[in-house]
Amino acid sequence: QVQLQESGPGLVRPSETLSLTCTVSGGTIRSYYWNWIRQPPGTGLEWIGSIDYSGNTNYSPSLKSRVSMSLDTSKKQLSLRLTSVTAADAALYFCARTGDYVTSYLAWGAPRTAPLFFDLWGRGTLVTVSS
Amino acid sequence: QSVLTQPPSASGTPGQSVTISCSGTSSNIGSNHVFWYQQLPGTAPKLFIYGDDQRPSRVPDRFSGSKSGTSASLAISGLRSEDEADYYCAAWDDTLSGPVFGGGTKLTVL
Repeated sequence: QVQLQESGPGLVRPSETLSLTCTVSGGTIRSYYWNWIRQPPGTGLEWIGSIDYSGNTNYSPSLKSRVSMSLDTSKKQLSLRLTSVTAADAALYFCARTGDYVTSYLAWGAPRTAPLFFDLWGRGTLVTVSS
Repeated sequence: QSVLTQPPSASGTPGQSVTISCSGTSSNIGSNHVFWYQQLPGTAPKLFIYGDDQRPSRVPDRFSGSKSGTSASLAISGLRSEDEADYYCAAWDDTLSGPVFGGGTKLTVL
């Protein structure tokens, strides 16, 4: 059974860098996209970015200037760095997997697939921003 | 402010049916699949509907998804107390080149 576990310091000072890690256990990290999503207290979900096995990244335009993600394939760990944090960055941070699913079959029997966004989530780690 | 628009709350009594709406634009719902997530209090979200109307095997058939144009809906029939949760819709946005979420709907079972 694949599980995701986020970890990192629960407290970050304003203007400093937030660093989190997500460890994937019980399964492969190949053939998936790995995401960071956050949820400020009492509010909704915000996608931060994603990375694939080859290290290709895609970041939310609103956070692109401050965020970077990396993937350690040997340790099966996904990392997030968010620079120059403010109180607005205080949130529950989740890592989540994007897989795919079959939508139809082509004439010669090959499957056509589409992204299966966030089919697996970690429990999340709470980050507070305070001096 | 979320890209997709959901009502902040919905409610119903046990056994009733409830529908939660999700409104978007041609760059997201209008041209891509919709996903729904259930978030029980104090837990991480779980995928409940994918591909507009497909249910993972663990999701009861009381839950159904639909889409028309730039709007989608999550319908819950035979409401139960354990359905009380926050529900979020999501879809890929071609303009933003990333997935976007609705603001979430808090479902209360009275």
